[in-house]
Amino acid sequence: DAGVTQSPTHLIKTRGQQVTLRCSPKSGHDTVSWYQQALGQGPQFIFQYYEEEERQRGNFPDRFSGHQFPNYSSELNVNALLLGDSALYLCASSSHDRVLLGYTFGSGTRLTVV
Amino acid sequence: TQLLEQSPQFLSIQEGENLTVYCNSSSVFSSLQWYRQEPGEGPVLLVTVVTGGEVKKLKRLTFQFGDARKDSSLHITAAQPGDTGLYLCAGTDSNYQLIWGAGTKLIIKP
Repeated sequence: DAGVTQSPTHLIKTRGQQVTLRCSPKSGHDTVSWYQQALGQGPQFIFQYYEEEERQRGNFPDRFSGHQFPNYSSELNVNALLLGDSALYLCASSSHDRVLLGYTFGSGTRLTVV
Repeated sequence: TQLLEQSPQFLSIQEGENLTVYCNSSSVFSSLQWYRQEPGEGPVLLVTVVTGGEVKKLKRLTFQFGDARKDSSLHITAAQPGDTGLYLCAGTDSNYQLIWGAGTKLIIKP
């Protein structure tokens, strides 16, 4: 049973460029959340998707956008990249009716903006 | 805004010692989760506690949820080098959003 898969694993982009990160949730999960994690810190919530709609959003600018597809997979798009966007981006999946019980995380995408 | 204060931020101890990590908040959580994260990997769920006063054990790890569901602790008995990692607590608020602690970086020296 595959867990959460994210691609790519590593990415280097230039300031001002745009990037798309991808996530496939764990089998049986229908809710996808995205997080940004700086080195040595806890994850920061970006947004959550369920039924192809953004349901909740953290304190991130509109440069961060996302999408969920009918097969529950999701994309995170970041426009006009800044140096401060360099971080580990984590995708987490859960079942909508069991979110209280915890999330399954992918290994993340390490984004470096130069 | 709900906050979850995690302490200590950093802990380095010898193999065989015991330790406790704390997560505290002034707000009530619907549930509280503990994760362990290794460098370059995503957090891995260790346990979820839901009921006030609940205690769960996972081998040498003991997790407790406070009676008022505002705080939690993780106790490790006879720590081993394999326990090294970043330990994160996360509480679920009334909107089912996860509120994260800043993490405890734990190093167990052989």
